[in-house]
Amino acid sequence: DIQMTQSPSTLSASVGDRVTITCRASQSVDDWMAWYQQKPGKAPKLLIYKASTLQSGVPSRFSGGGSGTEFTLAISSLQPDDVATYYCQQFGGNSWTFGPGTKVEI
Amino acid sequence: QVQLQQSGPGLVRPSQTLSLTCAISGDSVSSDVAIWTWIRQSPSRGLEWLGRTHYRSKWYNDYAESVRSRITISPDTSKNQFSLQLNSVTPEDTAVYYCARDPAFSGGWSRNAFDIWGQGTVVTVSS
Repeated sequence: DIQMTQSPSTLSASVGDRVTITCRASQSVDDWMAWYQQKPGKAPKLLIYKASTLQSGVPSRFSGGGSGTEFTLAISSLQPDDVATYYCQQFGGNSWTFGPGTKVEI
Repeated sequence: QVQLQQSGPGLVRPSQTLSLTCAISGDSVSSDVAIWTWIRQSPSRGLEWLGRTHYRSKWYNDYAESVRSRITISPDTSKNQFSLQLNSVTPEDTAVYYCARDPAFSGGWSRNAFDIWGQGTVVTVSS
C-alpha cells in the first residue's frame, strides 16, 4: 500500500495568515490527491480533488497543488471557521489511503 | 440534494457480524456516474477505506486487502441503498463507520474522492 505522511501534525496561526499543509506519498500517485476538512463529531468534507480542483461550494481561499509524490493544501487567509483537522487522501494501486491529519488552530 | 442516511446497531459482540445500511436519497445506487463506498475512522487506524460497489452494466465490488476475507458490500436496488457486512469482528473493528459517494466523471471513471458522506455510525465491538 502507498503510505501517506502529512506535515505539520499541528499548526497554530492567526486570523488572516496564509497557511500551508504538505502531504507526501511513498510513491507517485499522479494527480490523484484529495483534501478534506473534518470538524469534531462530523464527517469529513471534500475541499479539493484531482490535486487542484476546488469542490463546488468551497471558499476560494482554499487551494491545492502538486503532483507525483508531494502535494500542498493552502488557505490564503485563515478564518475562525477553518479550525479543523485536514486530511489528504490518495488513490493508487487500486486502493485509497488517507494521511494522518493536520490539526489547524487559531 | 443528495443525502446518505446510515442505520445499524452501535454494539456488536466479538466474533459476530457487523451490519450497516446506507439509504440514498437524491441519487441512485444503480447510477453509472456514482460509486458507493464504506470508510471507517478510529484513533488507532485513522481514516480507512474499506470497499465499494458500483454499477457499470453489471455490479462491481472492490475491497481493502486488510478486510477482504471478512467483508461484503451489497446494493439493494429495490430500496435504493447499499449495505456493509463485516464478519468475525474483534475489538480492533471498533470505529466510526461512514458511507460515502464517489461522484464519477461522465464516462463513469472514479473521481477518486468522496463528496457526500453519511452521518457516521459509532460501532463498538465488545462483549
